[in-house]
Amino acid sequence: DIQMTQSPSSLSASVGDTVTITCRASQSISSYLNWYQQRPGKAPRFLIHTASSMHTGVPSRFRGSGYGTEFTLTISSLQPEDFATYFCQQTRFSPTFGGGTKVDFK
Amino acid sequence: EMQLLESGGGLVQPGGSLRLSCVGSGFTFKNFPLNWVRQAPGKGLEWVAVINDNGGTTDYADSVKGRFTISRENSWNTVFLQMYSLRAEDTAVYYCAKGNWASGNQYGMDVWGQGTTVTVSS
Repeated sequence: DIQMTQSPSSLSASVGDTVTITCRASQSISSYLNWYQQRPGKAPRFLIHTASSMHTGVPSRFRGSGYGTEFTLTISSLQPEDFATYFCQQTRFSPTFGGGTKVDFK
Repeated sequence: EMQLLESGGGLVQPGGSLRLSCVGSGFTFKNFPLNWVRQAPGKGLEWVAVINDNGGTTDYADSVKGRFTISRENSWNTVFLQMYSLRAEDTAVYYCAKGNWASGNQYGMDVWGQGTTVTVSS
C-alpha cells in the first residue's frame, strides 16, 4: 500500500494568514493526489483533485501543487470557515489517505 | 443537488454482521463508481471498498478483505456494504462517497453522505 504522510499534524493560525500543508507519498503517484476538508461532526468536503484542479465552488484561496511524491495545499487569507482538518488522498493505486492536518485558531 | 444518504448502522456484537445501504440522488447513479470510507472515533479517514459503475469490479482495503462485500443495485440507486465477522476495530462512522469520474477514483470522490455509525461492542 502507498503510505501518505502529512505534515504538520496540526497548526495554529489567525484569520488572514497563509498556511501550507505538505503531503508526501511513499512512492510516485504522478498527479493523482486529492485534498479534502472536514469540519467537526461533518462529512469530508472535496476541494482539489489531481494535485491542482479545484473542485466546483471551491474558493480560489485554496491552491494545490506538486507531482510525484511531494504535494502541498496552500490556503491564502485564511477565513473563519477554513479552520478544519485537511486530508490528502492518493488515487494512483487503491486509495489511501494522509493522517490529517488540523488547522485551529492561534 | 447530488446527494448520498447512508443507513443501516447500529450496535453489533463482535463476530456479528451488519449491512449498510447508501441511496444516491441528483446524478446518474449507474454511471459512477461508489466507495465506502470509514472514520474511527477521533481518527483519520480510511478507504474501505469501491465498486465500479456496473458492479463488475470491486476492490477492498486489506483490513476488510474477506469479511466485507460491496455491491450495488442500480435500479434502486443503492450501494451496499455487507459486513461479517465484525471486530471492535471496525467501530467507525461509515461514509458512502461517489467517484468524481465515470472510469474510477482517479479524480477523487466528490460527493459524500452524512455517514452512519457502526459500533462493535459486547
